[in-house]
Amino acid sequence: LAKTTQPISMDSYEGQEVNITCSHNNIATNDYITWYQQFPSQGPRFIIQGYKTKVTNEVASLFIPADRKSSTLSLPRVSLSDTAVYYCLVGGDSGGYQKVTFGTGTKLQVIP
Amino acid sequence: SQTIHQWPATLVQPVGSPLSLECTVEGTSNPNLYWYRQAAGRGLQLLFYSVGIGQISSEVPQNLSASRPQDRQFILSSKKLLLSDSGFYLCAWRPDWGSYGYTFGSGTRLTVV
Repeated sequence: LAKTTQPISMDSYEGQEVNITCSHNNIATNDYITWYQQFPSQGPRFIIQGYKTKVTNEVASLFIPADRKSSTLSLPRVSLSDTAVYYCLVGGDSGGYQKVTFGTGTKLQVIP
Repeated sequence: SQTIHQWPATLVQPVGSPLSLECTVEGTSNPNLYWYRQAAGRGLQLLFYSVGIGQISSEVPQNLSASRPQDRQFILSSKKLLLSDSGFYLCAWRPDWGSYGYTFGSGTRLTVV
């Protein structure tokens, strides 16, 4: 499984765009990149997943460069409710099952 | 649609007492099931995962065990709890195919006193 590295914490003002970068230098060919959001005392929630280039959904965008050794989660115009821990995961479909250990994530604090 | 249920939400248990946490998934078949633990202010630690009935893989040697008696039921147990077993326990599932993300339960906050 590819190891991931993220900043431990980030602060941002309300209304700003936030970019959280994750490094995954030993990503494998069939690995996908997935981001989760976790609020205190709740389970992580799936945000977005991608394989290459750019993926966008209603809550975020995911940018993946050609070498796929990093990825950037972009949250447009954050609000106070976006204060949470964000996890980057890298893994593939290993013949029907997959086990993943989450890292410590990035704690995003949105400031009024 | 698929849903995952986990209970209880909170639990306070004395040291040396047994533990049983249950997780069930609805709306899917043959899911991959997982138990994670999160210590305060830390990331999620994978404890057990299961790809089918009776198939359990342990990631961390410890005071806990897991069982999967039915396709969509996953149970985390302990015969004698330790203080170090305190934490936030999360059950998760994902399909046994494709690269879809995990879906987590709401978690159980366990405090061993």
